[in-house]
Amino acid sequence: EPEVTQTPSHQVTQMGQEVILRCVPISNHLYFYWYRQILGQKVEFLVSFYNNEISEKSEIFDDQFSVERPDGSNFTLKIRSTKLEDSAMYFCASREGRINSPLHFGNGTRLTVT
Amino acid sequence: DAKTTQPNSMESNEEEPVHLPCNHSTISGTDYIHWYRQLPSQGPEYVIHGLTSNVNNRMASLAIAEDRKSSTLILHRATLRDAAVYYCILYYPTNSGYALNFGKGTSLLVTP
Repeated sequence: EPEVTQTPSHQVTQMGQEVILRCVPISNHLYFYWYRQILGQKVEFLVSFYNNEISEKSEIFDDQFSVERPDGSNFTLKIRSTKLEDSAMYFCASREGRINSPLHFGNGTRLTVT
Repeated sequence: DAKTTQPNSMESNEEEPVHLPCNHSTISGTDYIHWYRQLPSQGPEYVIHGLTSNVNNRMASLAIAEDRKSSTLILHRATLRDAAVYYCILYYPTNSGYALNFGKGTSLLVTP
């Protein structure tokens, strides 16, 4: 069964550094998402992306965050200048084009900011 | 967003049925009821969804109250692998995509 893959599985970075988290969504999917989960807390929506542009974003997704689909397969989340509070699991998800299709999540990238 | 209320935790014995409740008294007529689960150290996983009628799939059944103010996810025979956090989520789909908003969910413990 096709799946969403995320790399790396664990990323350690110093405060103030830029990080790029990478995702390969399922190939025929049209909608793409990033979520995050701080340790012990709930899964939080960051951003959704469709037709090469952001369709929705949460308050968490401020100017420090950006997303890109640089080619036909990858979907990236960039954090420009990481803060300690950005430490979390980051999940990528994708879904088909039909309106009620479920989200398929990857197993996440654990980001640790020191 | 319409809110859902779920118990913080539930416990079940292996191979017994599990009924996970969800209250959503402020649901609107166009909200779908989705269930996802998150196994330890994994991303969320879709389980089932419905609008008004009860639904079955290979993973579970979803029973929706006639007034739609509550629903129940039914795992027919719990296995140890079903130990996870189960999320009941309401959303209204739009053409521009939608954001699933996760709550705290119900942590299901399955004991042998």
